[in-house]
Amino acid sequence: GIQVEQSPPDLILQEGANSTLRCNFSDSVNNLQWFHQNPWGQLINLFYIPSGTKQNGRLSATTVATERYSLLYISSSQTTDSGVYFCAPGTSGSRLTFGEGTQLTVNP
Amino acid sequence: KAGVTQTPRYLIKTRGQQVTLSCSPISGHRSVSWYQQTPGQGLQFLFEYFSETQRNKGNFPGRFSGRQFSNSRSEMNVSTLELGDSALYLCATSRDNGYGYTFGSGTRLTVV
Repeated sequence: GIQVEQSPPDLILQEGANSTLRCNFSDSVNNLQWFHQNPWGQLINLFYIPSGTKQNGRLSATTVATERYSLLYISSSQTTDSGVYFCAPGTSGSRLTFGEGTQLTVNP
Repeated sequence: KAGVTQTPRYLIKTRGQQVTLSCSPISGHRSVSWYQQTPGQGLQFLFEYFSETQRNKGNFPGRFSGRQFSNSRSEMNVSTLELGDSALYLCATSRDNGYGYTFGSGTRLTVV
């Protein structure tokens, strides 16, 4: 099956800092989503982005499908951004393979 | 609009018992997928249902099963529970084919 590698595994920031999270995947994909899991376990869909670039407020994402990687940018980070960020590519419709995630801590 | 509803939120079962978890999707969402999350294995795909048919299946033993009803609500069942089945079970729904999942809050199952 598809292999997913996320980096860095852990990231600690001061409020207001910017960050870039990376996701490498091993196969061609027709689906790729980024999620944020908050400290209560709720998974929130951030982007559906199998290719191209999207922006939503302070967050943006870019997927370069031909090179098999995706990036999530967080600007002007806030304490509420803390949690785990997952990249989840898919090669077969709805079946997503989740990476191990990046644990982000934003300190005030 | 109402979100994805999973019930129950918490469950404690004894080894050997069986359990049924429920997922009610957002109105208009016909695809329901189930995932298991554990500290050791992370998030793993169990199966997906669409129009009452299992459309995709992960690498889990036959003790894990599911079904979907005509109103798109889905249930998953785990029989002969093992300690290793302790996990957060999450369902994710979408209009079709997994584009833009919405996850429920999950059911935390503890097997003792």
